Amino acid sequence: NAGVMQNPRHLVRRRGQEARLRCSPMKGHSHVYWYRQLPEEGLKFMVYLQKENIIDESGMPKERFSAEFPKEGPSILRIQQVVRGDSAAYFCASSPGTTSEKLFFGSGTQLSVL
Amino acid sequence: EDQVTQSPEALRLQEGESSSLNCSYTVSGLRGLFWYRQDPGKGPEFLFTLYSAGEEKEKERLKATLTKKESFLHITAPKPEDSATYLCGGADKLIFGTGTRLQVFP
Repeated sequence: NAGVMQNPRHLVRRRGQEARLRCSPMKGHSHVYWYRQLPEEGLKFMVYLQKENIIDESGMPKERFSAEFPKEGPSILRIQQVVRGDSAAYFCASSPGTTSEKLFFGSGTQLSVL
Repeated sequence: EDQVTQSPEALRLQEGESSSLNCSYTVSGLRGLFWYRQDPGKGPEFLFTLYSAGEEKEKERLKATLTKKESFLHITAPKPEDSATYLCGGADKLIFGTGTRLQVFP
């Protein structure tokens, strides 16, 4: 049973380009969460999605960031017109049910903006 | 404002030297508190969920306890392989503390 799969593992973008981060949850999990982590900092919640629905996006920046979890396929975190401050590790987690259950994390995507 | 605070930020222990990590929280309506372990370059790995004051859970050299205001992660006779960052967070609030970076030296 594969765990949470994130790709790419590393992503390099120049300022102004778009970044697309993908997350395939564990089999049977219908809840996906995205977090951002800067060096020496904790995990910052960004968005919580169920299939085809955004449940909580209170941690998402108002501009340039969007997320989706379509009926088929992985969840996508999209960052438009990236800036250097977007450089961070982005982690995806999944759970089978409510947020009070444990989260299973992927290995993350390290985004570097040049 | 919901907040989770961990201390100390970093902890250096000699192998076999027991200690505790603290997680204090001010989260309204918290229904559970997580503990995770994170190794460099990897995603967090689940350790425990605690749901009510007085609850305790153990796993190998780790024991987590919970009161109404804080949680402790006790590490008994740690080994170098216990070196990692330990994160706590509110289960249904989706928030985490900044972690305690533990280093255990042989």
